Amino acid sequence: AQTVTQSQPEMSVQEAETVTLSCTYDTSESDYYLFWYKQPPSRQMILVIRQEAYKQQNATENRFSVNFQKAAKSFSLKISDSQLGDAAMYFCAYRSDGEGQTGKLIFGQGTTLQVKP
Amino acid sequence: NAGVMQNPRHLVRRRGQEARLRCSPMKGHSHVYWYRQLPEEGLKFMVYLQKENIIDESGMPKERFSAEFPKEGPSILRIQQVVRGDSAAYFCASSQNRARNSPLHFGNGTRLTVT
Repeated sequence: AQTVTQSQPEMSVQEAETVTLSCTYDTSESDYYLFWYKQPPSRQMILVIRQEAYKQQNATENRFSVNFQKAAKSFSLKISDSQLGDAAMYFCAYRSDGEGQTGKLIFGQGTTLQVKP
Repeated sequence: NAGVMQNPRHLVRRRGQEARLRCSPMKGHSHVYWYRQLPEEGLKFMVYLQKENIIDESGMPKERFSAEFPKEGPSILRIQQVVRGDSAAYFCASSQNRARNSPLHFGNGTRLTVT
């Protein structure tokens, strides 16, 4: 079974600085997707960024980028120029892409990010 | 195009009562996933349904929990004889299909409190 581990329960960053959130996963599959979701206090689940495992190039979305190390099964999220609105809980998630898979997401435990003004 | 709608937003039940949580997927989506989030934890998969069919219920507790997604109307997650340990946020997500390019869209969740 696949597992996702986020080893940092809490992180903090100064406004305008850069922070990196860690995520590791375990799988024997070769085809899968990885995601980072943001959950603010409103509870809404917001997709931040996604990475296809078959792509070597790291995904980027404006101030958000990932460092995808497939061999190490590592998928960290870097937030540049942190803003107060980035404060939230961040979840790393895995989705199988193989034949017959259901498309369900497997989530890590989450990292609470605090942004200090 | 309205997003995934869940209601109620908050639900309070006494121990032993029934809880019914509703999820209306995005227009055109026929795949629904239910997740449970305990306090300070990540989301745990519960069940995956397509219209009128349960495809994967590997995350559902064996007793008291059931889910359906009828041909017409919303998907329903039903919890019978609730206990305090059922207190959590329950999220629904929908997709057009299970393919790789079909992202999951989440609702805002229902927070269930059992007193």
